[in-house]
Order: sequence, then structure tokens, then C-alpha cells
Amino acid sequence: KQEVTQIPAALSVPEGENLVLNCSFTDSAIYNLQWFRQDPGKGLTSLLLIQSSQREQTSGRLNASLDKSSGRSTLYIAASQPGDSATYLCAVRADMNYGGSQGNLIFGKGTKLSVKP
Amino acid sequence: EPEVTQTPSHQVTQMGQEVILRCVPISNHLYFYWYRQILGQKVEFLVSFYNNEISEKSEIFDDQFSVERPDGSNFTLKIRSTKLEDSAMYFCASLWTGFVGELFFGEGSRLTVL
Repeated sequence: KQEVTQIPAALSVPEGENLVLNCSFTDSAIYNLQWFRQDPGKGLTSLLLIQSSQREQTSGRLNASLDKSSGRSTLYIAASQPGDSATYLCAVRADMNYGGSQGNLIFGKGTKLSVKP
Repeated sequence: EPEVTQTPSHQVTQMGQEVILRCVPISNHLYFYWYRQILGQKVEFLVSFYNNEISEKSEIFDDQFSVERPDGSNFTLKIRSTKLEDSAMYFCASLWTGFVGELFFGEGSRLTVL
């Protein structure tokens, strides 16, 4: 059974710092991995999607990497800003060829990021 | 930018009452989902829906739950007889095609069962 773990559970950094959030998953037979942002009491905003054949994706100050064989992904945030404060969720989707289904994402518990001005 | 919309944003109900949560997925999307998040816990998959039928459901999605796409735009989640443990944030999501794979979520409906 796929398990997704995110470390650390919480992180507090001063503004301007570069930071890395970690995500690990137990079953490497994934179709893709998606990073989300969740503000308190709000919905999930998709940040980056990495297909299983890709090594990384970039969007602005965000860069996500994927090492499928070792079951790891990282989300790198450059030059952090107070507006980046939120919970960041990692979710994997199992490969249908190995029993996965359409869009059934397995989520980690998230990393709560606080960027201090 | 197209988005998934959900109503209501917050609903308070008494235990045993029926609740219907509504969603309007992105218009050209083909796959629809409900997820839930109990306060402080992980987001959990409930059900997926494609071609007017359930394609997969989790253990959480028991006989008290049902989904429907009554017309070309709405997608609903019904809880027949709510329990205290149904209190959670319920998220609707949609997907254009499995081969692209990016799931888009709505803002959620917070359900509080008293």
C-alpha cells in the first residue's frame, strides 16, 4: 500500500532564504507526482506536476525534482517570501499498469511553511 | 482561468440529516472526484466518476455516500445520514484526461455535523 511521507512537518525560515521540502513514497510504481499549496481553510492549488518519466519541473521560483527509483521528490523554493507561507502537500498517483487508477492521488500530510519578514 | 467551484463553502447540520455538496468541474474535464480532509489529517480519496458512473471508491465511501452528475455541469456528493465523524472539508476535483494527469481542486466545502 502506497504511503507518502513529508519531512519536516513544519518549517520556519527568514525571508529571502532558499529552502527544500521533502517528500518520500514507498512504492516507486507511480504515474506522476503533484505538489500542491494549501492556505489555511482553503482549497488545494496545484503548483507542479512531474510525470514519472521526468526528473524535474520548474515554475518561477519553484523547482520540483523526482527520483522515482529511490521514492523521493523535493520542492525547492528560491528566495522565499512571506506570501509563500502555507502548507505544501505532495501527492502521488499510482501507475494504472500496476493497479493504479485514474486520478486517485495519495497525499502526504504536508509541510507547514512559515516565512518570517 | 477555468476553475472548479464548490457550494456551499460551509454547512452546519445535525447528526442524521442528509447533506448534498455541489461542484461544478472545469467544463471540458472528463473525470471527477471527491476527496475529504478531516481537520489535521491527510487529504483522502473518496470516489472517482467517469462516463456517468463510479470508476473507483475507497473504503470510506460506504452506502451512506452517493454521487451524481444530474446535468452536464454539476457533480454532487450526497451523505444520506450524517455522523459526527463526517465533519471534514470535502474537496471536488476534476481532470481532463488521465494521460495528462493534473488534478484541479475546488476551494472545498466545510461540513460540520453537530
